[in-house]
Amino acid sequence: QKEVEQNSGPLSVPEGAIASLNCTYSDRGSQSFFWYRQYSGKSPELIMSIYSNGDKEDGRFTAQLNKASQYVSLLIRDSQPSDSATYLCAVNPFSGGYNKLIFGAGTRLAVHP
Amino acid sequence: EAGVTQFPSHSVIEKGQTVTLRCDPISGHDNLYWYRRVMGKEIKFLLHFVKESKQDESGMPNNRFLAERTGGTYSTLKVQPAELEDSGVYFCASSQEEWGEQFFGPGTRLTVL
Repeated sequence: QKEVEQNSGPLSVPEGAIASLNCTYSDRGSQSFFWYRQYSGKSPELIMSIYSNGDKEDGRFTAQLNKASQYVSLLIRDSQPSDSATYLCAVNPFSGGYNKLIFGAGTRLAVHP
Repeated sequence: EAGVTQFPSHSVIEKGQTVTLRCDPISGHDNLYWYRRVMGKEIKFLLHFVKESKQDESGMPNNRFLAERTGGTYSTLKVQPAELEDSGVYFCASSQEEWGEQFFGPGTRLTVL
């Protein structure tokens, strides 16, 4: 079992729709969770961080965390073609007191006009 | 505020040669991380510096890789001698707080022929 799992996609949504991206993680002790957006050939760009159960909203983005189910999601409202990218879920497991991000393989999102 | 910078952006070398990658973190960020993505796989952690000290180097693949951060500012990652399987994109990231958000540089694409 991979430490951080995401559907590879592509997830195709029409412009203006809500895109829902999901991620599960294996280390129950994980404390911090991040969503990065990566355009082809570019570096990961941090778009959301979440540390507590529940929802966190920032503009068109909402991150949702459920530690009991070991599940984190990202909702993108009013999706735009410019949102087409690969979305990476990253988890800091805090194991052994060490600080590092464990990445999923990413979900490719395609927003079509 | 300038972001994380990396040099060079691309490097093509022959197997057996040496390559040194450089990373300049965001000013004031004590925490510096190296990651890499090889062959289309997930981004993987290599090591973590706090100032000039190596906090965790559990992700370093073998002793051909040497990372330094003299003076606690910029960092270098040397690969000597390079092997074919070292090809990939090497990312550097930095964070202000040890468990905080990590911001990535543009990466160095290394090709070993």
